[in-house]
Amino acid sequence: TQLLEQSPQFLSIQEGENLTVYCNSSSVFSSLQWYRQEPGEGPVLLVTVVTGGEVKKLKRLTFQFGDARKDSSLHITAAQPGDTGLYLCAGVMNRDDKIIFGKGTRLHILP
Amino acid sequence: ETGVTQSPTHLIKTRGQQVTLRCSSQSGHNTVSWYQQALGQGPQFIFQYYREEENGRGNFPPRFSGLQFPNYSSELNVNALELDDSALYLCASSLMRQTYNSPLHFGNGTRLTVT
Repeated sequence: TQLLEQSPQFLSIQEGENLTVYCNSSSVFSSLQWYRQEPGEGPVLLVTVVTGGEVKKLKRLTFQFGDARKDSSLHITAAQPGDTGLYLCAGVMNRDDKIIFGKGTRLHILP
Repeated sequence: ETGVTQSPTHLIKTRGQQVTLRCSSQSGHNTVSWYQQALGQGPQFIFQYYREEENGRGNFPPRFSGLQFPNYSSELNVNALELDDSALYLCASSLMRQTYNSPLHFGNGTRLTVT
């Protein structure tokens, strides 16, 4: 069973539209990280959220950590072709600080 | 600041063979984690090394083993390769044991194909 479930798995939308992707778990995490991965490259950290209910903004990207620290969302406003990529959420386990990844959401923004 | 580098970038092996993958961590980082990423999947945690000792392991068999050297570089060894071992192997370094204030810095991975 997957500890972190990401949805949707795939998303293809037009440039300028808004979108939200989700990361859900039944486990509580000490923090949660979002990474973006492009073909042929390793994942690159976008943001870390630590406190339940925390909201962080990175230009057009808004990240939220659930109140219970079990889930998170990523909202992109006015998507651009440069946002295309694989978005991975990763939970930092309370008990041993290991970082566990979801399967990712593959996002494609059409020009 | 030198980033994480992995070698080789691509590798083709035959079932039953052994392989060694290498990783140089980012300067100043003392923790290295290895992940396996199958096509269309997220990275799966293999193990982590902190100051030359294994500091945790995911759900991988003993034929997956590793080393960390005094300069914090690392190797991943896989024995008796199976077809399902075909994947992108990612190395990530961090400054300390994995905590929320020490994110992972990934290399670009080694693409292993087992035929």
